[in-house]
Amino acid sequence: AQSVTQPDIHITVSEGASLELRCNYSYGATPYLFWYVQSPGQGLQLLLKYFSGDTLVQGIKGFEAEFKRSQSSFNLRKPSVHWSDAAEYFCAVGENTGGFKTIFGAGTRLFVKA
Amino acid sequence: DGGITQSPKYLFRKEGQNVTLSCEQNLNHDAMYWYRQDPGQGLRLIYYSQIVNDFQKGDIAEGYSVSREKKESFPLTVTSAQKNPTAFYLCATSDRENQPQHFGDGTRLSIL
Repeated sequence: AQSVTQPDIHITVSEGASLELRCNYSYGATPYLFWYVQSPGQGLQLLLKYFSGDTLVQGIKGFEAEFKRSQSSFNLRKPSVHWSDAAEYFCAVGENTGGFKTIFGAGTRLFVKA
Repeated sequence: DGGITQSPKYLFRKEGQNVTLSCEQNLNHDAMYWYRQDPGQGLRLIYYSQIVNDFQKGDIAEGYSVSREKKESFPLTVTSAQKNPTAFYLCATSDRENQPQHFGDGTRLSIL
C-alpha cells in the first residue's frame, strides 16, 4: 500500500532563509504527488502538483518541489521564507490506477522567526 | 475555498447524540470526501463518493455515516457509536480521479 512520510514534525527557520521540507513516498508506479498548506483553523490549499514530465515543478507563493524517483522523494523548497509562510504543510500521493483516494503525510509545521 | 461550504464551523455533541456536518459545493465536482484531522496524525479518510447515490468507506468509517443524494451535497453524520469524535473534520472535492482536492474550511466537533 502506498504511504507518505514527512520526517520532520516541525521546522523553525529565520525569515529570509531558505526552506526545504522533506517528503518520501512508497508507491509501486509513478505517483501523483501534491503539496498542500494549511493555516490554523482552515482547510488545505494546493501549493503544487506533479503528474509527469519535468521533475521540478513550480507552485504558488514562490514554492517549488523536485520529484526524485531514485530517492522516492518529493521535497518542497522555497529560497526565502516570509513570516506569512508559517503554517502546516502536507505532502500527499494520489492513486493512478483508477482510484480516487489520496494519502496524506502527517504534516510538517513550519515556524518562522524574525 | 469559496466553492465548498462546511457548516457549522463549531459543533458540540452530547453523549449519545448523533450530529450531522454539512458540506455543500458549487464547483460541479463529481467526487467528494470526508477527512478527520487530529493533531500529529495528518488527514484520515472517513468516506468518499465518486458519483451521486454511491459512496465507499475510507480508513476510519466506523461510527460515521454519509449520504450522496445530490451532486452538490455530502453530509456526514457522526453517530453515538463514534466514541472519540472530538476532531477537526474536513470536506473536499475533486473534479475527476487523481486530480488535486479542494477543501472546505472545516468543522470542529467537540464533546460537551
